[in-house]
Amino acid sequence: GAVVSQHPSRVICKSGTSVKIECRSLDFQATTMFWYRQFPKQSLMLMATSNEGSKATYEQGVEKDKFLINHASLTLSTLTVTSAHPEDSSFYICSARDPGTGWDTIYFGEGSWLTVV
Amino acid sequence: AQKITQTQPGMFVQEKEAVTLDCTYDTSDQSYGLFWYKQPSSGEMIFLIYQGSYDEQNATEGRYSLNFQKARKSANLVISASQLGDSAMYFCAMNTDKLIFGTGTRLQVFP
Repeated sequence: GAVVSQHPSRVICKSGTSVKIECRSLDFQATTMFWYRQFPKQSLMLMATSNEGSKATYEQGVEKDKFLINHASLTLSTLTVTSAHPEDSSFYICSARDPGTGWDTIYFGEGSWLTVV
Repeated sequence: AQKITQTQPGMFVQEKEAVTLDCTYDTSDQSYGLFWYKQPSSGEMIFLIYQGSYDEQNATEGRYSLNFQKARKSANLVISASQLGDSAMYFCAMNTDKLIFGTGTRLQVFP
């Protein structure tokens, strides 16, 4: 069964509004989660590393104020796309590593399709 | 800088045949891991196989094997006995402190 759950799987929002995507680790406590963005027929681009209890580390070129990441607990990280615009429409997917095991256990959420109209 | 390169945008293979998907990487770290993921059209990322940089033997998982050549910095995925359900995007990835992906290879298996 899935050990990382992402919600919602699909969301449509109006331009100018904000939308929140949740990423939950179900069977373990994830001190670190990763957020990726994927445009159609392209690769996964790392947006940021979410650290529990501290600020997220953003990759170069990712707007911190637009993509707000909160990792308030050991099992939940959220990505909020603020003032969304059509160009933000994309597939967003999170992953988490179980710190109790090695790097060979990185789990991905199911992904979230965001459409901004 | 860390980088993953997949030079094959698309590959075709006939059912029941074997296929090799290429992946090369670049890192200055001594400790790292290499992954292969399958992504069907639904978008989910399905973990296939993992190879640690210190693992001396090539990883195998069922029909998947990883041809790890450390000196050449390559980590090719070999799928044996291809099935129609293997048609998907395949991504090679590498981690040091974060997981980065190659551009992917679209594999199409035909009858």
